[in-house]
Amino acid sequence: GEDVEQSLFLSVREGDSSVINCTYTDSSSTYLYWYKQEPGAGLQLLTYIFSNMDMKQDQRLTVLLNKKDKHLSLRIADTQTGDSAIYFCAERPLGTYKYIFGTGTRLKVLA
Amino acid sequence: GAGVSQTPSNKVTEKGKYVELRCDPISGHTALYWYRQSLGQGPEFLIYFQGTGAADDSGLPNDRFFAVRPEGSVSTLKIQRTERGDSAVYLCASSLRGGGNILHNEQFFGPGTRLTVL
Repeated sequence: GEDVEQSLFLSVREGDSSVINCTYTDSSSTYLYWYKQEPGAGLQLLTYIFSNMDMKQDQRLTVLLNKKDKHLSLRIADTQTGDSAIYFCAERPLGTYKYIFGTGTRLKVLA
Repeated sequence: GAGVSQTPSNKVTEKGKYVELRCDPISGHTALYWYRQSLGQGPEFLIYFQGTGAADDSGLPNDRFFAVRPEGSVSTLKIQRTERGDSAVYLCASSLRGGGNILHNEQFFGPGTRLTVL
């Protein structure tokens, strides 16, 4: 079955880079997403990548995908206090509509 | 509306009671999804509507849970005989359409309804 795993907690200093990691198990081609969740707010889509890509960059965000190891990472450059939130990795197997979420990584940015 | 809205934002009920949670999707979105997020966990899929019909309800945990979308817009998640284990945040999402095209399947999430069963 599908399973998405993430480390639970990450703490970085303001201005440093953050790297949040995720592993997934679905063997078929898939879409992979990064969502941000702030207290009291809904999930906000940050970026996504299709499994035939290795990397995607969007301003301060860089997504790296290692298909062989089924490992996905999100790098946030110049991390700011406003980046403090829970970050969820999610996969959507090709041809389906279900998002399978990880447990989330709580990012704490220290001033 | 501008985004997905959910009401109420918080619901406290007693064990055994019946509750209804409402979701207003983004106007024009044909696909609607319900997820449940327990404390410290990621959201888990419950049910997916394409238009008025439930295309996939495989995530509903048992027959106490039911959802409707009679006019293809607003959806109501109904929970009968609530149990303490039902306590969670219930998230609703909508997308322009369902299926495989990534550009048309971004799911936009509402803020959720926090359900507490005492």
